[in-house]
Amino acid sequence: DTAVSQTPKYLVTQMGNDKSIKCEQNLGHDTMYWYKQDSKKFLKIMFSYNNKELIINETVPNRFSPKSPDKAHLNLHINSLELGDSAVYFCASSDFYTNEQFFGPGTRLTVL
Amino acid sequence: DAKTTQPPSMDCAEGRAANLPCNHSTISGNEYVYWYRQIHSQGPQYIIHGLKNNETNEMASLIITEDRKSSTLILPHATLRDTAVYYCIVSDTPYTGTASKLTFGTGTRLQVTL
Repeated sequence: DTAVSQTPKYLVTQMGNDKSIKCEQNLGHDTMYWYKQDSKKFLKIMFSYNNKELIINETVPNRFSPKSPDKAHLNLHINSLELGDSAVYFCASSDFYTNEQFFGPGTRLTVL
Repeated sequence: DAKTTQPPSMDCAEGRAANLPCNHSTISGNEYVYWYRQIHSQGPQYIIHGLKNNETNEMASLIITEDRKSSTLILPHATLRDTAVYYCIVSDTPYTGTASKLTFGTGTRLQVTL
């Protein structure tokens, strides 16, 4: 049973398109995160949700919009994709009162 | 704004202990030390964390100096599957009810060899 799952695993698209990445966790955690890992392997937090409420919003272009329909799901929608959005996006989850985060396998986004 | 300093790379022979150092000289009293690792093409994996006491779990041991300005992650018997990038992170306490976050640096690339 996968604890944190992401779909799709790979995403190749053209500049200007809109795409979504889905994340689900079955660990019963109340906090979920999106991270971006660029080509230089720097891993940076983008967003965090606690019980469907946005609690961390780093300096991210507003083309990126996270949505949490329930505390087990956190989706990432990206509008008007740009070349610089190419990266691996990781979803993670944890209990709120801990930084023991469980990461998903990542979604490799390639924008052509 | 990395709060930690780690060597960029280390080698370790399989079966030996791998000792990964981390400097965090500006750590504040309520910040914990976390260790994560990222095996190639996978998501990061939590290893261990501590405040000031030494900690041990099934994966590793964490030794924090008395002044808390540095720590060492110890993998007691490294295997080839421990080859990964290891990240040392200091983070606000998550226990006060405020959101805290992990800021990943560049880490130490540990290569375990036969």
